[in-house]
Parts: sequence; C-alpha cells; structure tokens
Amino acid sequence: SQTIHQWPATLVQPVGSPLSLECTVEGTSNPNLYWYRQAAGRGLQLLFYSVGIGQISSEVPQNLSASRPQDRQFILSSKKLLLSDSGFYLCAWSYGQGSIQYFGAGTRLSVL
Amino acid sequence: GNSVTQMEGPVTLSEEAFLTINCTYTATGYPSLFWYVQYPGEGLQLLLKATKADDKGSNKGFEATYRKETTSFHLEKGSVQVSDSAVYFCALRGASGNTGKLIFGQGTTLQVKP
Repeated sequence: SQTIHQWPATLVQPVGSPLSLECTVEGTSNPNLYWYRQAAGRGLQLLFYSVGIGQISSEVPQNLSASRPQDRQFILSSKKLLLSDSGFYLCAWSYGQGSIQYFGAGTRLSVL
Repeated sequence: GNSVTQMEGPVTLSEEAFLTINCTYTATGYPSLFWYVQYPGEGLQLLLKATKADDKGSNKGFEATYRKETTSFHLEKGSVQVSDSAVYFCALRGASGNTGKLIFGQGTTLQVKP
C-alpha cells in the first residue's frame, strides 16, 4: 500500500533562518506531488506541484521554493523565513492530475 | 477564478444531532467536488466526492449532493457522534487546466459533545 511521510510534525524557527521540510511517498512510482499551506483562519492554498523529477510549478510568488531530487521525494525550502511563513504545511500525492490526492499529516511551522 | 466558500465554524452539536455544513463554489464548467476531513493531529483524508451534477457522494453516514443549479455541495449527516469531531474541508478540482490542483474552502470545525 502507499504511504506518505512528512517531517517534522512541528517546527519553531526564528525569522531569517532557513527551512527544509521533507515529504516522501512509498509504494508508488512517478506520483504527482503537491505542497499546500494553511495560514491561520484561511483555507488550504496550493504552493507547488510536480509531475516528475526536477519539474516544479509554482502557484503563488513567495519566499519559498520546492525541489524534487528523487521520484518520491519533495522538499520545501526557504533561505530566510518571514513571520508570514507561519502556517500548516501539507504534502500530498496523486496517481495523476485527475486522481484523488492523498495527504500527509502536515508540519506546523511557527516563525518567531 | 475558481473558489470555494464554507460556513464559518466552529459548529457545536450534541451527539445524535443532525449536521449540515454548507459549501458553495464558483467555477467554470463542471468541476469535481470533494469533502476532506482532518481529525486532531492527523492529515487530511478524503471523506467523499462527486464528479458530475446531481451525483451524491456518501461515506461513513455523511452525504453531499452536487447541485449545479445552486453551485453547492453541502455536507450532511443524520446523527453525529463524538468521534466525528474534526475539521471539514470542501474542495474543488477545476474541469480545465488539468494541473490536478485542489481549491479548498477555509475549513469548518465540528465539535460534538456527548
């Protein structure tokens, strides 16, 4: 069966520090991968998606970047965190663009 | 652009009460509609879905009907349990563009008291 892992579960970082959140998927190959963020009091917003290794599409301009160094690994990064980067980050995968998305447990990031 | 609007929470009910969480959407064409649930400390799980007008999605006693004429996909359950306490997200996937991305509402927190 397929599983998706995200870590860490919670993270507290100072403003200006770097960020690296990792997401891995097991039990499938060539999945579509997604990063979403939920800011306080708001819905989930798609940040990045990837249809293959090295292929990243950004949905909104921001202080974050994403990379996909391996088929089932998706990394969310920042060189310098801002207060506004605080939120709940969710990774998801799907078999294809029209398929159901399966979510990880999420990372709660607090930038202080 | 496409958007989803959910009723604001929290919604607090007693056990065995009837639940309705309203969801309306704006989209071109015929999007697919979803309800996801997030239990405390966990990630999102797909609860139910509908892919065309008048479809009814159902799962675990929850139901939602895709109403094109009112652009709605309201979530209902006849008798809630304490274990249904969670955050519920309505979402759509556009009919065109084909990126697969989901557009979510802001989520509605449900608290069921014994």
